[in-house]
Amino acid sequence: DAGVIQSPRHEVTEMGQEVTLRCKPISGHNSLFWYRQTMMRGLELLIYFNNNVPIDDSGMPEDRFSAKMPNASFSTLKIQPSEPRDSAVYFCASSGLTGTGFVYGYTFGSGTRLTVV
Amino acid sequence: GDSVTQMEGPVTLSEEAFLTINCTYTATGYPSLFWYVQYPGEGLQLLLKATKADDKGSNKGFEATYRKETTSFHLEKGSVQVSDSAVYFCALSDSNQFYFGTGTSLTVIP
Repeated sequence: DAGVIQSPRHEVTEMGQEVTLRCKPISGHNSLFWYRQTMMRGLELLIYFNNNVPIDDSGMPEDRFSAKMPNASFSTLKIQPSEPRDSAVYFCASSGLTGTGFVYGYTFGSGTRLTVV
Repeated sequence: GDSVTQMEGPVTLSEEAFLTINCTYTATGYPSLFWYVQYPGEGLQLLLKATKADDKGSNKGFEATYRKETTSFHLEKGSVQVSDSAVYFCALSDSNQFYFGTGTSLTVIP
């Protein structure tokens, strides 16, 4: 099992540019989560999907952030336009969810380190 | 709502010292409890878990016991090594979400 795969590992971009982060969850997992980690705020949940449907996006900081999950094997997190304060490590995680609501296999990707200059 | 509170860091210990990182939780149901570890430059990895009261999770010499009466899940290790230097996160899940603590940074010095 390749685990949760994120790309790119590192991204440096100029302020105002569009940034797209990508995530491939573990095959068979039906929930996907996007997190942001900074020294100041720690680990923050941005949005999560269940069966490709966004369930809770209350953690998305602003309208500049958007996330999609067009199918069970791919998700994107887009920032447009990017700002220096968006610099952080962005993690994707996936898990399975049984019919009785039991979460299993919660696994993180290696993250994308974003630097906006 | 559900939440996790863990010990503030950073924690610095000498090699072979005893480690305790405290974690308490608030939950309306019967959550599963977890400890995750994050090594520098990497994502969070599951360290151990316990799914019901009085269960003990263990891995790599680390242990934690699910205590319903004190709503706690403290992480312990009898003799830490330099390679244990990392950030440790306590977490709970009782639905489709995980709730993470703020993380405790551990540095082990030779």
